[in-house]
Amino acid sequence: DGGITQSPKYLFRKEGQNVTLSCEQNLNHDAMYWYRQDPGQGLRLIYYSQIVNDFQKGDIAEGYSVSREKKESFPLTVTSAQKNPTAFYLCASSLRGWNTEAFFGQGTRLTVV
Amino acid sequence: DAKTTQPTSMDCAEGRAANLPCNHSTISGNEYVYWYRQIHSQGPQYIIHGLKNNETNEMASLIITEDRKSSTLILPHATLRDTAVYYCIVRATLNTGTASKLTFGTGTRLQVTL
Repeated sequence: DGGITQSPKYLFRKEGQNVTLSCEQNLNHDAMYWYRQDPGQGLRLIYYSQIVNDFQKGDIAEGYSVSREKKESFPLTVTSAQKNPTAFYLCASSLRGWNTEAFFGQGTRLTVV
Repeated sequence: DAKTTQPTSMDCAEGRAANLPCNHSTISGNEYVYWYRQIHSQGPQYIIHGLKNNETNEMASLIITEDRKSSTLILPHATLRDTAVYYCIVRATLNTGTASKLTFGTGTRLQVTL
C-alpha cells in the first residue's frame, strides 16, 4: 500500500545521546517535512525538503539535522544540542505542485530520560 | 504564510452540522486555505482545501467568503469519530511553482457529544 511510514512509534533515549528518527514514503513525493508537537500545542516545522539533496530549516531547526539522499527517505537526527527533545515527531510528504495536500505519518513519540 | 485565527474549542451534538470558523484576514491572492484534523496521538489528516470557490468532498464542505478573509469548514452530520483538533492553514504558492511549507496554529478542539 502507498503511504508514509515512521518508525519506531515509541523511542526512549538517555540524555546526551543522538537519536535518528526514520521517515519513508512510497508516494513518489518530492517534498518532505518534519514537525514537532508538544502536549496541547500545534505542530512546529523543524526542517523541510523540496527535492533530493536539498533541505531548508524550518522554525525550530536548532539541535536537529536531516539528510535527503533518496527521494523516499528523510531521516531526522535529534542531537544532544537539542535542549528539550522529548516530544511527538511527525513526518509528512507532498507533491511539489501548487495545489497539493500533504500526507502525514503516524508519528514517533520520543522520550529522553 | 498568512496567520489564521480559530476558536480554541467547540462542541457539537452528534448528527448535527459542525461549523468551524477560521479568520485569515491577511491572506494574499496566491494562498490556498487548507483544513486538516488530528485525532489524539495520530498524524494530521487532510480534509479539504480551496482558493476562492466553495469546495465539497466526501468528508466536508469549505465555504470561503468573497473577500477571502475568512472561511468555514462544515461537517454536515458530525459523529463521535469526528472529535479531533481541526487546523486551518493558509499556504502560498512560491515563484518556483511549488507549494510552500505548511504552518500550523493551535487549531480548534471539536468535541462531538451524544
